[in-house]
Amino acid sequence: QKEVEQNSGPLSVPEGAIASLNCTYSDRVSQSFFWYRQYSGKSPELIMSIYSNGDKEDGRFTAQLNKASQYVSLLIRDSQPSDSATYLCAVNTGGFKTIFGAGTRLFVKA
Amino acid sequence: DTEVTQTPKHLVMGMTNKKSLKCEQHMGHRAMYWYKQKAKKPPELMFVYSYEKLSINESVPSRFSPECPNSSLLNLHLHALQPEDSALYLCASSQEGQGATNEKLFFGSGTQLSVL
Repeated sequence: QKEVEQNSGPLSVPEGAIASLNCTYSDRVSQSFFWYRQYSGKSPELIMSIYSNGDKEDGRFTAQLNKASQYVSLLIRDSQPSDSATYLCAVNTGGFKTIFGAGTRLFVKA
Repeated sequence: DTEVTQTPKHLVMGMTNKKSLKCEQHMGHRAMYWYKQKAKKPPELMFVYSYEKLSINESVPSRFSPECPNSSLLNLHLHALQPEDSALYLCASSQEGQGATNEKLFFGSGTQLSVL
């Protein structure tokens, strides 16, 4: 069974801090990794994608990938209350199949 | 703003009803998806259409019947549902439609379905 594991949280950080979200996956042949943000009662929204080992930065977001450790992370710098949401880690295993983790709930306290 | 539009946003139906969920995208994407998401759970893949042909059916019960009339439209026909089918139903699309691993999903706002 291919799995994507995340700590469900909630993860609580003060405004302006760095939020660190982690994810592990079980299928070693996975090639593409995504982070989606989902506000309560809304649909998932893609915020980052990463395909090779290392870091990828986009504004306040940095995705990190370590395929040897089967580990993906998302760092949010200068966290804002508007970042409070559930963050879904997703792994594409090929053939249209994207598997989602259960998500980490993030609360940013003003 | 999402360019994947789903209607209706909310739906309440009885177990004997027949209803349909509709999804439309205007991004020229060639793959369209139906996902089901229960509260505090991850989205689960139900169906995938690639170039208007059904590519994936994740062993979904026959009371759910997908239809892809053209490259922009995706329907999900519902009949004789059970209360446990109550969930958020999400439509998504991706650009290439070839099943490449780097395809990004663009979700609609979803239909919150309640089965009484």
